[in-house]
Amino acid sequence: QSALTQPASVSGSPGQSITISCTGTSSDVGSYNLVSWYQQHPGKAPKLMIYEVSKRPSGVSNRFSGSKSGNTASLTISGLQAEDEADYYCCSYAGSSTSLVFGGGTKLTVL
Amino acid sequence: QVQLVQSGAEVKKPGASVKVSCKASGYTFTSYGISWVRQAPGQGLEWMGWISAYNGNTNYAQKLQGRVTMTTDTSTSTAYMELRSLRSDDTAVYYCARDRLGLGSGGYYYYGMDVWGQGTTVTVSS
Repeated sequence: QSALTQPASVSGSPGQSITISCTGTSSDVGSYNLVSWYQQHPGKAPKLMIYEVSKRPSGVSNRFSGSKSGNTASLTISGLQAEDEADYYCCSYAGSSTSLVFGGGTKLTVL
Repeated sequence: QVQLVQSGAEVKKPGASVKVSCKASGYTFTSYGISWVRQAPGQGLEWMGWISAYNGNTNYAQKLQGRVTMTTDTSTSTAYMELRSLRSDDTAVYYCARDRLGLGSGGYYYYGMDVWGQGTTVTVSS
């Protein structure tokens, strides 16, 4: 199972909005509304930001939102803040034989 | 509070095995599954597999089939991940994470990996 495709890096200024894409196939992202997104700061464990494409866990800022169209899922961060600078990973369910697959990760830089 | 606490760092020689533990607390262990995820130095996240703490069902990543075994001990709310025939490219930080995947009346649901362990560094070197 190949990893999902994410841009290596994105950047934005404080207060701006950015979107990170996550492209899969009809076997994973396109078949299931089970995409999750994780934020990881250097040296720390990942943190769940979005699950089931667009649902936010309790405690996650509403500046984070998710969506999906076809085989591509997206994470949007609005009102960028310095603490949003981190690596972001998407993850999708890919069927019972494969289960889960991650994207390669995107480094977000807040300018 | 809900937490997962993993065992300490390991240094192993090529060809050896390693067994990492993940002790859960603050929730009903058997109501969730545990995924194992690893991250090689400077690299991204790699899903290794999943085990149901309810019935012990497992699902492993294809590339690790035959080398990895995941188990649970419900009496101590602890999950284990054993990796055999270690190679240098198994050097990584290994994480356990709580998650819940299932099939309901509305189709599949997956609540994501919402609680993570602190990570266990496994170094494979001769």
